[in-house]
Order: sequence, then C-alpha cells, then structure tokens
Amino acid sequence: QSALTQPASVSGSPGQSITISCTGTNSDVGTYNHVSWYQQHPGRAPKLMIYDVTNRPSGISDRFSGSKSGNTASLTISGLQSDDEAHYFCNSYRSDGNVIFGGGTRLTVL
Amino acid sequence: QAQLLESGGGVVQPGGSLRLSCEASAIRFMTSGMHWVRQAPGKGLEWVAFIQFNEFDKRYADSVKGRFTVSRDNAKSILYLQMNSLRVEDTALYRCAREGNTRQVGTLDIWGQGVLVTVSS
Repeated sequence: QSALTQPASVSGSPGQSITISCTGTNSDVGTYNHVSWYQQHPGRAPKLMIYDVTNRPSGISDRFSGSKSGNTASLTISGLQSDDEAHYFCNSYRSDGNVIFGGGTRLTVL
Repeated sequence: QAQLLESGGGVVQPGGSLRLSCEASAIRFMTSGMHWVRQAPGKGLEWVAFIQFNEFDKRYADSVKGRFTVSRDNAKSILYLQMNSLRVEDTALYRCAREGNTRQVGTLDIWGQGVLVTVSS
C-alpha cells in the first residue's frame, strides 16, 4: 500500500507560480477523478484546498488550481505569497475503496 | 462553528490497547462518513480507517486491519477508534476528519486537531 509520489520539496519566489505533482497508478489517480489537495502549516490540521481534481471549496483562493493527466495529478499555486509556505499533501480514492495519501511536499517561498 | 475534538490518547506499551474518541459539533455528524488519519512525528499523512454514516461500510488500511476497529454513536455525535495490539510503529498524532463527498471518496473537508498516541516500552 505505497503512498502516492510527491516531490519532497519545491520552492518559488513571491509572485511566481509553482506546481506540485502527485503520481499514482491505474488503481487510484489514473482511474478516479477523486484527487484532493491539502495544505498543512506547522502544528496545524490539514486544510482542504482542492477536491475532485479541479474543484475549490468555498473560501479557497483561485490562485490554487488542480489538474490531472494520466496517473499524475498536479496542484498549481500562482502569485505565490509568504503564507503559502507549508506542506502540501494529495490523496486519492482507490479501487479497493480505501484512500491513499501522498508523502507530502514542503513548499518554501524564497 | 464546525468542530472535531479528539481525546483518549496517551502512552501505552507494545501490545496494549487504547480507545480514541472524536466529538463532533455543527458538522451534520449523523449523515456524514468519517475518517481517521494519522501522522507520525515529522512524517506524512496516513489514512487509517473510514466509517459510513450508518456503519454499514467500514474500511481499514492494511497496516491496522484486524487490530483497529472504527465505530460511532450518532446519538452522541462521537466517533471512536479502538486500537488493540499496538505496535511502536503506531506512534502518531491521530486525527478524525469528515468525509465531505456524498460518494465517500476521500474528500476530507473538516479535521480535528488530533490526539497523540505513543507506543513505547
């Protein structure tokens, strides 16, 4: 039951855009459009940022967007701000009915 | 304001048991699926278990299957996680979270702050 694959870290300067990838298999990301992204600041609970690949919950900035191609989903953050510095996790529904998370990506705003 | 509050954590020896609770308020608990997710110190998120609103469907990660049991009391708006045969590798912060999608596909839209479980001799 391996985790989805995310880069350990990404970085960008304020105002720039960054993209975080989340790679799975045909049993999860590749088959189901049920990929979510979560933001987690240190010591805080995760916060849902994107669900069903591309949808933003109410109150989430449109600087956050999601997409998917094949077995890889992506989170793009445009117009980077200092408060975006956090860990980001993806998750996906799996064919066995379970949920699988990615290993997480640390975003540094330079 | 929607809130999930976990309790019941602590230090336990390997092979021991603990029961975690998650008290919900203002989240339509009775009609919501619920998850448990854990996070080892300095590590990523690991999905642990899910329970459907009516308890008809329960799912577990392979790492806890046969040792952990998820249940709920809708009258009290409380979610439980009974953890038996605990191992050192179960040491983590355990959070409950609400399933936000009626299709119950892992959209976790409300999270608790978590409770720490330490398994150590």
